[in-house]
Amino acid sequence: GENVEQHPSTLSVQEGDSAVIKCTYSDSASNYFPWYKQELGKRPQLIIDIRSNVGEKKDQRIAVTLNKTAKHFSLHITETQPEDSAVYFCAASIRGNQFYFGTGTSLTVIP
Amino acid sequence: NAGVTQTPKFRVLKTGQSMTLLCAQDMNHEYMYWYRQDPGMGLRLIHYSVGEGTTAKGEVPDGYNVSRLKKQNFLLGLESAAPSQTSVYFCASRPLGLAVEGQYFGPGTRLTVT
Repeated sequence: GENVEQHPSTLSVQEGDSAVIKCTYSDSASNYFPWYKQELGKRPQLIIDIRSNVGEKKDQRIAVTLNKTAKHFSLHITETQPEDSAVYFCAASIRGNQFYFGTGTSLTVIP
Repeated sequence: NAGVTQTPKFRVLKTGQSMTLLCAQDMNHEYMYWYRQDPGMGLRLIHYSVGEGTTAKGEVPDGYNVSRLKKQNFLLGLESAAPSQTSVYFCASRPLGLAVEGQYFGPGTRLTVT
C-alpha cells in the first residue's frame, strides 16, 4: 500500500516567519493530497488540498506545492501567527477510497 | 446540521470486553471511515465504507468489525478488547467524488482498555 513520510516531526518558528512541512509518498497512482490541522484535543480539519493535475495551490497565507515526478508535496505557511500552532498532517489518496496519513508535524509559533 | 457525531466521547473497558462505537453524519455523504490515532503515528485507517451496505478493510483492521446498515451510520465494533486498542478513534465522512472538499471528521472517542 501507500507509504507517506512527513518531516519534520516538530517545528518552531518566530511569529511572522514562514513554516514549511514536507511529505513524500510512494504510490505514483495517488492523485489527491489534503492537509489537515489538528489543535490539541480537537478533530482534524482540512485546511488545503491539491490534486495531481495541479502543481501549486494558494489560500491566503497557506500554499501547497506538488512535485509528481519526485513524489513529494509541501505545505507553506507564511507570516505565521500564534494561532497557527497545532499539529499538521499530510495525506495521500488514490481516488479518495483510502487515505494514508503522515505522522504529523507539531508546529509552535513563538510570539 | 450536526455534521459528524460520535458516541460515546470516552470509554474505559477491561480486557476481553466488547463495545460498539457509533458514528453518525447528516450530510448525506457516501463515504465513511474509521481511524485510530496513536501518539507519533498519525491517523491509521481501520475500515471504510463507500456506501450503504458496503465495507472494506483499511491498514489496521484486525480486532475490529464494522457495519453500515444505514447510509448515515457507521458502527465500529470491538469484540474482545485488548490494551493495544487503547487509542483515540475518529470517524470521518465525505461526499462522492473529489471535486468537493475532503473528509469531515467527528470529535473523536477516547478509549482506554485496562
